[in-house]
Amino acid sequence: AQSVSQHNHHVILSEAASLELGCNYSYGGTVNLFWYVQYPGQHLQLLLKYFSGDPLVKGIKGFEAEFIKSKFSFNLRKPSVQWSDTAEYFCAVNAGTSGTYKYIFGTGTRLKVLA
Amino acid sequence: ETGVTQSPTHLIKTRGQQVTLRCSSQSGHNTVSWYQQALGQGPQFIFQYYREEENGRGNFPPRFSGLQFPNYSSELNVNALELDDSALYLCASSLGGLRNNEQFFGPGTRLTVL
Repeated sequence: AQSVSQHNHHVILSEAASLELGCNYSYGGTVNLFWYVQYPGQHLQLLLKYFSGDPLVKGIKGFEAEFIKSKFSFNLRKPSVQWSDTAEYFCAVNAGTSGTYKYIFGTGTRLKVLA
Repeated sequence: ETGVTQSPTHLIKTRGQQVTLRCSSQSGHNTVSWYQQALGQGPQFIFQYYREEENGRGNFPPRFSGLQFPNYSSELNVNALELDDSALYLCASSLGGLRNNEQFFGPGTRLTVL
C-alpha cells in the first residue's frame, strides 16, 4: 500500500540552526510531492512542490527540498531556521491515474524553534 | 479572493447518527478534496470531486459519501457514525484535477461522536 513516512515527530532547534526533515514514500509509479506547513492557529498551506524537472525545488520562506528517486525520498531543508518557522510540517504525495488519485500525507513533524 | 470556508466549525453527534459537512471552495476553483485528520495524525484523504464527479477515493467505507454542486461547493456525508469518526474534517480546493497545483485548505470542522 502507498504510504508516506516522516521520521521525526518532534524537532527542537535554536534559531540559526540548520533544518532537515526526512520524508520517504512508497509507491512505484509517478508521483507528485509536496510539503505543507501549518503555523499555530492557521490553515495548512503549501510550502513547496515537485512535479518534474529539477529535483531540487525551492519554496517559500527559504525552504527547499530534494527529490531523490532512487531513495524514494523528498527531504525538506532550510539552512538557518527562525523562531517564526515554529509549525507542523507535513510531507504529502499524490499518486495514481485519473479517476484513481490518492493524496497521502505523512503524520507530520512538529518543529519548535527556540529564540 | 475568498478562501475556503467550512461549516459548521464544531459538531457533536451520537453513534449511529448521520452528519453533513459543507465546504465552499476558493473562488475559481473547480476541485474539492476532503480529508479526515485524527488527533496527532496527518490528514487522511477521503475523496476528491472534480467538476461534480468523484475523481479519486481513499480507504474509507461507503458510508462516507459526497457531493459537489454546480457552483463547486461540496458536502461530505457520513452515515451511521462511529466513535472513531471523531476527527477534524478538512476541505481543500484547487483548480484542475488532483495532480494540478496546490490545494488550499479550509479551517476544518471538528466532529465529536459520543
